[in-house]
Parts: sequence; C-alpha cells; structure tokens
Amino acid sequence: KAGVTQTPRYLIKTRGQQVTLSCSPISGHRSVSWYQQTPGQGLQFLFEYFSETQRNKGNFPGRFSGRQFSNSRSEMNVSTLELGDSALYLCASSVTGAGYGYTFGSGTRLTVV
Amino acid sequence: EDKVVQSPLSLVVHEGDTVTLNCSYEVTNFRSLLWYKQEKKAPTFLFMLTSSGIEKKSGRLSSILDKKELFSILNITATQTGDSAVYLCAVEASNYQLIWGAGTKLIIKP
Repeated sequence: KAGVTQTPRYLIKTRGQQVTLSCSPISGHRSVSWYQQTPGQGLQFLFEYFSETQRNKGNFPGRFSGRQFSNSRSEMNVSTLELGDSALYLCASSVTGAGYGYTFGSGTRLTVV
Repeated sequence: EDKVVQSPLSLVVHEGDTVTLNCSYEVTNFRSLLWYKQEKKAPTFLFMLTSSGIEKKSGRLSSILDKKELFSILNITATQTGDSAVYLCAVEASNYQLIWGAGTKLIIKP
C-alpha cells in the first residue's frame, strides 16, 4: 500500500514569504500529525488533525497553521518565514493518532534564506 | 512540564560492539513509550512498551521499560554498520500526544 507522501521534498524560500506543505496520509488513516525537526532538537510537535479537526497543538507561534481536508490530506502553512524556520518538516499518519500506529513521510526540507 | 531526555546524544562504536541507549522521562498521564530509528528522513517504528519489566525483542535489538524509575533502555548487540542511525524515544501521554527526546546519533565503524 502507498505510504505517507509529503510534497514538495525540498523548498527554498526567502524571509518574509509564506509556504504551504502537503501531506497525504495512508488510506484509512484519519490522524495526521506535523513535526519540525532541527539538528539536535529532536521532533517538535506542531499539531495533530483528526477527522478535519485540530485535536492537539504544540507550542509554536500563530504563524504556523494547518488544516485537514475531508479525504484526510493535510496542509501546513507557515507565514512570514524566519531564518529559524529552516528545518525538516515531517508528517505522520495513523488510524487513531496513537504513536504505535505512526507512519512517517519522508519530510519536506525547508530552507529559508 | 513533560520532558523526555535521551543519552548519550551521540555514540561511536566499532562493528560487533554492544550498545545501550537510554531514555528517561517525566510525563504526566503516561500511556506508552516508543522507540524509532531514523536513518535518513522518515523515522521507522521499533518498539512500543507499556508494561514495566517486560522485554521486547526483535533480532539483535531489545528494549525494556522501568515505570518506577521512569526510564527505558534500547540494547543493540553485535552491531553492524547498518545500525548507524538516530534513535528516537517518544512517550505517549493522554490524548495521543507524543513527547520526543532529542535522539541518540549512533555511528558504527567497520
């Protein structure tokens, strides 16, 4: 079966711009979680969507937002990009949201210049 | 504040050695502890532990949880170069929220 698909794979943006990342979960998975990963920082939780509703939210500024569509695909948006937003953004899907069932995508590498 | 701490942050060993990676946690409403392996980008699931003292094994990898002392260890015996990766520990709290450690970067030298 198809895995979790994230697009684009790589992205270079300029400070002040905005960006939208996409995550298509495994078929049947209703939960999509987003993470930011920077060197030495581990995975920082951004938010989780379940059946089109944001169920959990991490401690990120309001510039980071997301949404989930009826087909469970999710998008994450970052507005007014800062240099510190450069990171690998990973999404993970699961049936219920439990970590045991997590399947990660390969991520989007965002570089802000 | 909930936190998960992994140690060491990095480790270099020779092929054939045995390694032990540590994960300690302070998380309210603990549900489970999970280990993942991240080689390039996408972390892949290794183990889930919910009960204290019960070892989970998969080939040369094994893990155990101590809920009294709030830690877990991941052992890898007879290491191979293919074991080189970042090993991530996460604790699942209530409402499915995962709290992640910073990871241990393991390098296996031939």
